[in-house]
Amino acid sequence: NAGVTQTPKFQVLKTGQSMTLQCAQDMNHEYMSWYRQDPGMGLRLIHYSVGAGITDQGEVPNGYNVSRSTTEDFPLRLLSAAPSQTSVYFCASRTGGANVLTFGAGSRLTVL
Amino acid sequence: AQSVSQHNHHVILSEAASLELGCNYSYGGTVNLFWYVQYPGQHLQLLLKYFSGDPLVKGIKGFEAEFIKSKFSFNLRKPSVQWSDTAEYFCAVRLSGTALIFGKGTTLSVSS
Repeated sequence: NAGVTQTPKFQVLKTGQSMTLQCAQDMNHEYMSWYRQDPGMGLRLIHYSVGAGITDQGEVPNGYNVSRSTTEDFPLRLLSAAPSQTSVYFCASRTGGANVLTFGAGSRLTVL
Repeated sequence: AQSVSQHNHHVILSEAASLELGCNYSYGGTVNLFWYVQYPGQHLQLLLKYFSGDPLVKGIKGFEAEFIKSKFSFNLRKPSVQWSDTAEYFCAVRLSGTALIFGKGTTLSVSS
């Protein structure tokens, strides 16, 4: 099993550009989520999904879109990047009954 | 809204010193509690967890944590730290049916 795979690892964008951070898991986990990590702020939940076709907002959803068309994939879209979205993004997943999240390696995004 | 507070932003210790990192949460119902660790340049890894039963839980690498329900606390301890324990530590709480909420993290620096 590869676990949770995030791509790209690093990305630099200009303000206003759009991009998608990819997240894939091969563990058949029902629950997937996106967090952003900023210095002194810990990890804040952006969006999450409890299964294919179901998504919901977390603590800081503004500026981000998600979809969950398959169990394996949970992409995070930035439609118009802003400097405030400069951060490290982590995707995480778990089975429906378990509480332990498995994290991806992270994607570092810089918006100029 | 539920919240997780970590009292120390940055802790500096010498090797062999004892460690205690504080964590408090704001919800009075049934919770699942976690400590995650993030070593420099790496993603988050589970250190230990509490779901029910013995309030003193032991994790990897000699860490333990004690759940004190009356104090809404889940403090992390280690009797003797090592240089390799230098990392950022995150406390996290999950209520039934909700997403995992993280504290802002505590950076531990251990000097040899």
